[in-house]
Amino acid sequence: RKEVEQDPGPFNVPEGATVAFNCTYSNSASQSFFWYRQDCRKEPKLLMSVYSSGNEDGRFTAQLNRASQYISLLIRDSKLSDSATYLCVVDRSPGNNRKLIWGLGTSLAVNP
Amino acid sequence: DAGVIQSPRHEVTEMGQEVTLRCKPISGHNSLFWYRQTMMRGLELLIYFNNNVPIDDSGMPEDRFSAKMPNASFSTLKIQPSEPRDSAVYFCASSLEGLRPHEQYFGPGTRLTVT
Repeated sequence: RKEVEQDPGPFNVPEGATVAFNCTYSNSASQSFFWYRQDCRKEPKLLMSVYSSGNEDGRFTAQLNRASQYISLLIRDSKLSDSATYLCVVDRSPGNNRKLIWGLGTSLAVNP
Repeated sequence: DAGVIQSPRHEVTEMGQEVTLRCKPISGHNSLFWYRQTMMRGLELLIYFNNNVPIDDSGMPEDRFSAKMPNASFSTLKIQPSEPRDSAVYFCASSLEGLRPHEQYFGPGTRLTVT
């Protein structure tokens, strides 16, 4: 079993739709959680961190459920420009080591 | 404002040849990461430097892979000899420890094809 698992999709949604992705992680010692976005044939870029209390950044909302070991990303009023692969990232760094574990990504296509 | 710079952007080589990938991190960043991305395995951390010192190289697949960071503005990843299974996109990323350590800034990647 992979340490970070995501539904690969693809999720095909119309513009304006609300879409949600989930991600599960297996290591309960994981410290921090993030969503990165990767456009086709481009590099990953940090979208948002995921805090225990949940956090929102415009149309994007991230939630963390430590008990069930999953993270979610909700996108409201989706735009064509949201089409990308969304990577769930878990940090289980011991001490000052920096060890990010990456999911394989969920592909989103927003259609006109 | 220059981001992470990688070269070459594309590399096609024959099995057995030596391949050297280059990276210039963002000025002022003190951590540098080399990743490999494939469809099957996703993004995998190969090695991580902090203040030019290798901290974690547990992801380096085997002795054919080596990485150096002779100074704060330059790093190389070398594969010798290369094999077809090394074909992947290799990303370099940098970050600033102590501020937002998890915000890694990636370069555009080097797409390596070994035939």
